[in-house]
Amino acid sequence: DTAVSQTPKYLVTQMGNDKSIKCEQNLGHDTMYWYKQDSKKFLKIMFSYNNKELIINETVPNRFSPKSPDKAHLNLHINSLELGDSAVYFCASSQGPIGELFFGEGSRLTVL
Amino acid sequence: AQSVSQHNHHVILSEAASLELGCNYSYGGTVNLFWYVQYPGQHLQLLLKYFSGDPLVKGIKGFEAEFIKSKFSFNLRKPSVQWSDTAEYFCAVGAGGGADGLTFGKGTHLIIQP
Repeated sequence: DTAVSQTPKYLVTQMGNDKSIKCEQNLGHDTMYWYKQDSKKFLKIMFSYNNKELIINETVPNRFSPKSPDKAHLNLHINSLELGDSAVYFCASSQGPIGELFFGEGSRLTVL
Repeated sequence: AQSVSQHNHHVILSEAASLELGCNYSYGGTVNLFWYVQYPGQHLQLLLKYFSGDPLVKGIKGFEAEFIKSKFSFNLRKPSVQWSDTAEYFCAVGAGGGADGLTFGKGTHLIIQP
């Protein structure tokens, strides 16, 4: 079983649309994250959730909203997609906020 | 907040050459240190980590790293690289109360020529 799984792996959509990426972890970790990797491979943390509470919210547009129905899931919803949102989005989880991160396989978002 | 600096953005080596990738961080307190690897088209995987104890840590695939507290460094090394080591390498730091999560360096793109 994949430890951290995210869907879809590929997403191609038009500007202005709303889309969601789902993430699930079966490791029993208490903290989950979303990272954005741009075309230069730079990784930037977007959000993290610990016990269903948001503990980090970097300077991302409020068009991005994380939703965590339980500690095993952290979904990412994006409203009014823009060209600059094209990137690979990685979900990750850890036990505690500075522990080893386990990453999902990434979701490549392309906005046309 | 802590920051992580990786000095080499692109490195090209021949097979069997020795490798050292630099990583420095800025934070005065206790840190957890990591190196991750991202093979082409894949997700990030842990190479090795340091939490405490012996500052020389060994990871998978023959990689090792040394934590030098006085230099705020955690350099990655491998004595003899292989073509399959071609990948993106990221240094990461977790520090303080953990409110910032892990901070990643900008990555080093390593190309091994056969």
